[in-house]
Amino acid sequence: AQSVSQHNHHVILSEAASLELGCNYSYGGTVNLFWYVQYPGQHLQLLLKYFSGDPLVKGIKGFEAEFIKSKFSFNLRKPSVQWSDTAEYFCAVSATSGTYKYIFGTGTRLKVLA
Amino acid sequence: DVKVTQSSRYLVKRTGEKVFLECVQDMDHENMFWYRQDPGLGLRLIYFSYDVKMKEKGDIPEGYSVSREKKERFSLILESASTNQTSMYLCASRPGTVGFYGYTFGSGTRLTVV
Repeated sequence: AQSVSQHNHHVILSEAASLELGCNYSYGGTVNLFWYVQYPGQHLQLLLKYFSGDPLVKGIKGFEAEFIKSKFSFNLRKPSVQWSDTAEYFCAVSATSGTYKYIFGTGTRLKVLA
Repeated sequence: DVKVTQSSRYLVKRTGEKVFLECVQDMDHENMFWYRQDPGLGLRLIYFSYDVKMKEKGDIPEGYSVSREKKERFSLILESASTNQTSMYLCASRPGTVGFYGYTFGSGTRLTVV
């Protein structure tokens, strides 16, 4: 069965620190990968996605993620976080054909201290 | 921008009541989804629909049903509300049936069952 693991449940960083949030998935076929962000009191928004090509994907607000197929990973990175990055981050995976749904990870709550 | 509108932001219902959660999207998306979001559990899929009058069970359909009579509207029904259905309910839509389209989420309905 498909699954997504986000091992860091809570992360606290100071402003300007670098961020890396882990995401590992379990699936036997080709996948599409996503990161979503939920700012306090707001709806979930797509941060970035990978479906083919360059495994390094750039998203909004300076975020990027790297797909490493051999490690079944899609880690989210940002070189220098800001207080406004405080949010909950969700990794998600979907198959490239035949299914209509995503599998989400349990989320990582990031708090950035000013 | 696509908008996914959920009819209620907050809802309080009594145990045993029949509860209707409504979701409307304005961009002619084929696919619509209902998730519940609980702390530490991430997003779990309740039901989804890939076309009008079509529906499929997700991972946790027990105690829920859905209705999709029109393309733009997807309703979640709690047949007899119970306290363990207290949660944040998220509706999402997506344009196609392939996996690389991102979801557009609504703002959520926080349901409390007392």
